[in-house]
Amino acid sequence: SQQGEEDPQALSIQEGENATMNCSYKTSINNLQWYRQNSGRGLVHLILIRSNEREKHSGRLRVTLDTSKKSSSLLITASRAADTASYFCATSGNTPLVFGKGTRLSVIA
Amino acid sequence: GAVVSQHPSRVICKSGTSVKIECRSLDFQATTMFWYRQFPKKSLMLMATSNEGSKATYEQGVEKDKFLINHASLTLSTLTVTSAHPEDSSFYICSARDRVANYEQYFGPGTRLTVT
Repeated sequence: SQQGEEDPQALSIQEGENATMNCSYKTSINNLQWYRQNSGRGLVHLILIRSNEREKHSGRLRVTLDTSKKSSSLLITASRAADTASYFCATSGNTPLVFGKGTRLSVIA
Repeated sequence: GAVVSQHPSRVICKSGTSVKIECRSLDFQATTMFWYRQFPKKSLMLMATSNEGSKATYEQGVEKDKFLINHASLTLSTLTVTSAHPEDSSFYICSARDRVANYEQYFGPGTRLTVT
C-alpha cells in the first residue's frame, strides 16, 4: 500500500508559533492531500498538491512535496488554539485515498 | 465544492440488530464510493470500494457478510452493519469519487455508531 506516515505523532506548541508536520509515503502518487479532523468529527479537506507541484500555499498553510524523497510537509503559521486537531496526509495514485496515522496538534493559548 | 452527505450522523443500536448508513453525493455523480472506518484516535482504514451497479471490493480482513455494501445508483451507496456487536462501534466515513472532476475524492461527515 502507499500509506502515508506522519511525524510527529503528537505536537504541542504555544499559540502564535508555527507547526510543522511531515508525511512520508511509499509508492508513486498522483497527488497528496492534507486533511484536518477535530475530535469526533468528520474530515476537513485542507489542501491538495499534485505530483508535479513542489509547493502550495493556502492562507496560513504551506505544503511542500518532494517526490524524490516521497515526502511532504504541512506548515501552519501563526498557530491558533482553534488549530488544535488531528492532521492526516492522504495519498492518491490510481487507488482510493490511503491515510497516514496522523499528527495530533495541540495549540496552547 | 462537491458535497457528500451521510445519514444518520449518530446511531445507537443494540447488539444483534442491523444498522444501515447512507452515503449520498449531492451535486455530482459518483461511479465509485469508498467506505472507511476509524477507531478512536486512530487513522482511517479503507473497508471497501463500491462501484455503481456491481459488487463491492472488500479490503483484507473486512467481512463482506457483516458489512453489506450496496451502490444502486450514481449518487447513493449504503453500508449495512449486520448483527452488530459492541466491537463494531466506530466512526464510519464514506467517500465519493467524482469522475468528472478529475476523479477527486470527497468525504462525508461520518457516522458514529455505538452498539450497546
